[in-house]
Amino acid sequence: DQQVKQNSPSLSVQEGRISILNCDYTNSMFDYFLWYKKYPAEGPTFLISISSIKDKNEDGRFTVFLNKSAKHLSLHIVPSQPGDSAVYFCAASNLLDFTGTASKLTFGTGTRLQVTL
Amino acid sequence: SQTIHQWPATLVQPVGSPLSLECTVEGTSNPNLYWYRQAAGRGLQLLFYSVGIGQISSEVPQNLSASRPQDRQFILSSKKLLLSDSGFYLCAWRGVSSNEQFFGPGTRLTVL
Repeated sequence: DQQVKQNSPSLSVQEGRISILNCDYTNSMFDYFLWYKKYPAEGPTFLISISSIKDKNEDGRFTVFLNKSAKHLSLHIVPSQPGDSAVYFCAASNLLDFTGTASKLTFGTGTRLQVTL
Repeated sequence: SQTIHQWPATLVQPVGSPLSLECTVEGTSNPNLYWYRQAAGRGLQLLFYSVGIGQISSEVPQNLSASRPQDRQFILSSKKLLLSDSGFYLCAWRGVSSNEQFFGPGTRLTVL
């Protein structure tokens, strides 16, 4: 049972435009969400996170939006740059669990973003 | 600053051979440690996590085992590899004061 879903396996965006990556979750206990970026043959790097008490978090070109009623979050990258080309993973956790001893994340399957010139 | 190391970077092993992947973390104490696997075309699957020395929790039944002999060392092992064990193995840590997990560079394992 995939509790975190990224239904678009790939996305192509022109440089300078907005990239929107989507993520849906089914577990209503999830209340903390993260986005990671991964280049081939490297470990994922943390990008941005959001807790369920917010509906938006912004960090430079990256903004994450959370719609709790729809169990949906999205990552916006504006403007997109060629260096943003990578696989983006959405991850979710229960904050109580996350700050507790286990701190487990559930990852989506990833979306490959290609930013073209 | 904290860093996480994994080795080897790549490994090709025959079916039935043993496995030992090592992960070490520097610059932090008593981290939570995690082993993930990314199989081809799939997301990151949590295999094991550890909240302290000698404490291992397994997330999925499988052919692998994990050990934590020291505070900042996490080892992934197998006695006999299967073809299905091929994948990209990632170690991650989380400190007590952070909410994010930080990943190592990964090990590409190919079982032939």
